[in-house]
Amino acid sequence: NAGVTQTPKFRVLKTGQSMTLLCAQDMNHEYMYWYRQDPGMGLRLIHYSVGEGTTAKGEVPDGYNVSRLKKQNFLLGLESAAPSQTSVYFCASSIPTRDRGTLRTEAFFGQGTRLTVV
Amino acid sequence: AQSVAQPEDQVNVAEGNPLTVKCTYSVSGNPYLFWYVQYPNRGLQFLLKYITGDNLVKGSYGFEAEFNKSQTSFHLKKPSALVSDSALYFCAVNLDTGRRALTFGSGTRLQVQP
Repeated sequence: NAGVTQTPKFRVLKTGQSMTLLCAQDMNHEYMYWYRQDPGMGLRLIHYSVGEGTTAKGEVPDGYNVSRLKKQNFLLGLESAAPSQTSVYFCASSIPTRDRGTLRTEAFFGQGTRLTVV
Repeated sequence: AQSVAQPEDQVNVAEGNPLTVKCTYSVSGNPYLFWYVQYPNRGLQFLLKYITGDNLVKGSYGFEAEFNKSQTSFHLKKPSALVSDSALYFCAVNLDTGRRALTFGSGTRLQVQP
């Protein structure tokens, strides 16, 4: 049971380079999210998707693009990396389901991608 | 709008003592509240949630949290701390309708000393 898998786990980029982070989930979840984690700031939502073919902006979307061409995959792209994008990136997925009358909405997280932009 | 505040950057407690990690929230509707734990170089793991019902919620690893609507708080507690509980703890909130993404607090580092 893989859950949520992120690739790569580590990456160093030079300023101006581009890259794509891949998130894959095998739980058939409708919702997927990309967060970034910075010291003292918790996790901030970059973009999210409520279904295949749909995406929406979160709190800090600038400098990032996303695509959800397949239900199980959610890609995060950096077109021109900047040092301010040095962070740990987390992907998550969730689906609201009824479990014996209780609504289950907890999100499941990947292991994270540590990105450094020099 | 929804927001979460974790007023303590770090909490230090001796092993065997009770621990509390504080969280307050602000939402314009009925909140769904969560606690997650993050161990070094790992992703976030779900601990417990409050959706509705009993104000005292029990979760994984002996943790529990108390929902207090009047104080808009959802503090995480454990009667007897273990060294292995040392980690980064995040409180998160979501509304029961509308926005489907969690809003996280800034995190509290729990350090349990032997």
